[in-house]
Amino acid sequence: ILNVEQSPQSLHVQEGDSTNFTCSFPSSNFYALHWYRWETAKSPEALFVMTLNGDEKKKGRISATLNTKEGYSYLYIKGSQPEDSATYLCAHSIYNQGGKLIFGQGTELSVKP
Amino acid sequence: GAGVSQSPSNKVTEKGKDVELRCDPISGHTALYWYRQSLGQGLEFLIYFQGNSAPDKSGLPSDRFSAERTGGSVSTLTIQRTQQEDSAVYLCASSLSREGYNEQFFGPGTRLTVL
Repeated sequence: ILNVEQSPQSLHVQEGDSTNFTCSFPSSNFYALHWYRWETAKSPEALFVMTLNGDEKKKGRISATLNTKEGYSYLYIKGSQPEDSATYLCAHSIYNQGGKLIFGQGTELSVKP
Repeated sequence: GAGVSQSPSNKVTEKGKDVELRCDPISGHTALYWYRQSLGQGLEFLIYFQGNSAPDKSGLPSDRFSAERTGGSVSTLTIQRTQQEDSAVYLCASSLSREGYNEQFFGPGTRLTVL
């Protein structure tokens, strides 16, 4: 994998559904994996930054896992709420290239009440 | 404290004109990044600064694009002789240092439209 790939591109769920997204990234020269949430008309907001293989992080109903050996990360949202509607971006930084982030295209989540 | 601010929030310009976009990072953040999102595309890295130096300008799409940072604080991104393909949302972010494990704090962006 040469680029960061996210799937699905978009997702429409009902309030209360749990959902998950996938981010695939090049595993060579990996430094860190970032997840951001970008709501319409707002700034992207960091959710998680993960560096170690096997890392799991949680913030409220949202959690993420990281597998650096195979180059993927999952983001889970438990019991989706309408306020979770946003585009979820993942990005990775590369060893020895500063903090430059390479982003995926994002997953657009829409949660209907 | 204040977050990252950008100005203007919207800019409409005619093809061929020069534009300047400004970014004011969080105080004390030594690293500053410029990204852009064109229609239908993901966020694309343009350039980053550590202090006033730009170690990586590899994402600037052409020599019409330039950026500077002064006093380790405010940065301006200048686009000369704008083209329609320059239309995009330009985002600035800052972080404590340039290490790749640092969270980046984003500004609200400048939406540039080139007619």
